[in-house]
Amino acid sequence: AQSVTQLDSQVPVFEEAPVELRCNYSSSVSVYLFWYVQYPNQGLQLLLKYLSGSTLVKGINGFEAEFNKSQTSFHLRKPSVHISDTAEYFCAVSRSGGSYIPTFGRGTSLIVHP
Amino acid sequence: KAGVTQTPRYLIKTRGQQVTLSCSPISGHRSVSWYQQTPGQGLQFLFEYFSETQRNKGNFPGRFSGRQFSNSRSEMNVSTLELGDSALYLCASSLGQLGANNSPLHFGNGTRLTVT
Repeated sequence: AQSVTQLDSQVPVFEEAPVELRCNYSSSVSVYLFWYVQYPNQGLQLLLKYLSGSTLVKGINGFEAEFNKSQTSFHLRKPSVHISDTAEYFCAVSRSGGSYIPTFGRGTSLIVHP
Repeated sequence: KAGVTQTPRYLIKTRGQQVTLSCSPISGHRSVSWYQQTPGQGLQFLFEYFSETQRNKGNFPGRFSGRQFSNSRSEMNVSTLELGDSALYLCASSLGQLGANNSPLHFGNGTRLTVT
């Protein structure tokens, strides 16, 4: 079985400040890792994914994440946030290869203040 | 290219009734998966359909069922509704089956179901 823990339910930050949203996972097998963003009254949109290769993954809207196998983490970062980044962010994990049923974290609400 | 379309956007039902939700995937996508999102349980996988066959199923009771048509459109049915079924139901489509790493999920905007 696999699980995902998003350590912060809410992260308030001021506009143009850097931000890190934390995600830790647990799995007995190799995994794929994902970050999704959900704006109010919308579905989820893929920000970035780690499948293999370079542990630093760049995504859309200036976000990036780093896969750390030893710490089983996949933290999301952005060097300078905008008001428009205010949204709910979900980390997800699935088994690599074969049938993948994603397991999602509970989400982190990023609130960007002017 | 049109995105994933879910209808209706909002539904209000009473306990004991049944409900059918619809999902039209992106053109050419053959996989449709369904998810339940609640404040208490977060986002949970319900099931996946690929080429009209259920390929994967999450840990939900048999009251939750679905099907997929030859044009890849999918419906989800919940029978004998309970208060706890109130949630945002999301569907996602992808080109290949869940597990194909070149097939990212594209989500619809969801159907918000309220059971009173």
